[in-house]
Amino acid sequence: QSALTQPRSVSGSPGQSVTISCTGTSSDVGGYNYVSWYQQHPGKAPKLMIYDVNKRPSGVPDRFSGSKSGNTASLTISGLQAEDEADYYCCSYAGSYTWVFGGGTKLTVL
Amino acid sequence: VQLVESGGGVVQPGGSLGLSCAASGFTFSTYGMHWVRQAPGKGLEWVTFIRNDGSDKNYADSVKGRFTISRDNSKDTLYLQMNSLRAEDTAVYYCAKRSDYSQYELDYWGQGTLVTVAS
Repeated sequence: QSALTQPRSVSGSPGQSVTISCTGTSSDVGGYNYVSWYQQHPGKAPKLMIYDVNKRPSGVPDRFSGSKSGNTASLTISGLQAEDEADYYCCSYAGSYTWVFGGGTKLTVL
Repeated sequence: VQLVESGGGVVQPGGSLGLSCAASGFTFSTYGMHWVRQAPGKGLEWVTFIRNDGSDKNYADSVKGRFTISRDNSKDTLYLQMNSLRAEDTAVYYCAKRSDYSQYELDYWGQGTLVTVAS
């Protein structure tokens, strides 16, 4: 149950696109199409942004998209906006009713 | 949907503490539930999950044998009993609901309750 690997920080200017990677193993990310992404603003609870690798819950802008290749999942945010500045966490199902989160990535909108 | 955690506080190393999560706004008995924690300034860590009827549950290796998840569907309440607490268990503890989508994600979270393990 090792944490998934995410970059500590990424940044981009308003209107640009950024991609956050999330690397696991064949026992979690690579083994299931059950990767989800969460946005967390300071002092707030996390918010579900992507589920099942690339699906968006209702109400999440289509600027947010997800993908996966092998043991690495990715979250792409296009048309960056100031309110996107937050911490982002990936999460993968790992079998037998266990889940694992990534270490988190701080997104800075320049 | 509303999830409200309670029971956090300061406890000495080796001590015990019980957390509760009161659920409302959905049919609690039909959803699996999670506890997730976040140490100060750190990332999210999945802690434990229980199925809707309590028939299956599992734990992160870091808490296995020390923490116990349970639920009372008649009271719409989720619990976490924490024993043999260590300094590294200091965190905000969130309860979260298994989602309506594919059920492998967490769609609603409480605001969390802070547990501090210190002498």
